[in-house]
Amino acid sequence: DIQLTQSPSFLSASVGDRVTITCRASQGISSYLAWYQQKPGKAPKLLIYAASTLQSGVTSRFSGSGSGTEFTLTISSLQPEDFATYYCQQLNSYPRTFGQGTKVEIK
Amino acid sequence: EVQLVESGGGLVQSGRSLRLSCTGSGFTFGDYGMSWVRQAPGKGLEWVGFIRRKGFGGTTEYAASVKGRFIISRDDSKSIAYLQMDSLKTEDTAVYYCSRATNFYDTSGYYYWGQGTLVTVSS
Repeated sequence: DIQLTQSPSFLSASVGDRVTITCRASQGISSYLAWYQQKPGKAPKLLIYAASTLQSGVTSRFSGSGSGTEFTLTISSLQPEDFATYYCQQLNSYPRTFGQGTKVEIK
Repeated sequence: EVQLVESGGGLVQSGRSLRLSCTGSGFTFGDYGMSWVRQAPGKGLEWVGFIRRKGFGGTTEYAASVKGRFIISRDDSKSIAYLQMDSLKTEDTAVYYCSRATNFYDTSGYYYWGQGTLVTVSS
């Protein structure tokens, strides 16, 4: 099974900060990676798929990059509504797996 | 509008069974694969399993943690996907979400999700 390791697991940042979250895969997954945002009590929201394609309707503050084994999610200027937990997911092979999550909190 | 609604959650004793349903609307249910994802209280997301659309064989995939205990099936005439959970363990306690593949090949993530249904397994 492919393991995904996100770093950091916890991030404290201020409104307006540029934030970067990394997701590393235990083996190459081409560009088959998605990023989700989840707020407490809610279902996850798809932000990015195919590593760098912004899901329709998602603000361009979010961007993704990478291929192979290393990927990043960047929030260009953190807004109050962006404080949440973020997960990566690989869609290269089964079982599909998620990273352990990165919680972004207000500094 | 695409909607997914899970049902069937509740409190069950360890070792017993439970069947969850995911009813889809607003799209041609049979055209898409369906996934189940769970989240234990205070924990991260865990992919549970997937069923392909009949056109791709209707076959299934499972996480190692549930393989042999959980079975995913579908009834396209009713637009329902099922998660049959047998030999339940306390560690299966979680909110269970169903989700629809964004594309036909289940490679573009999950845009559509249900609201989730809580399964609590007691010892």
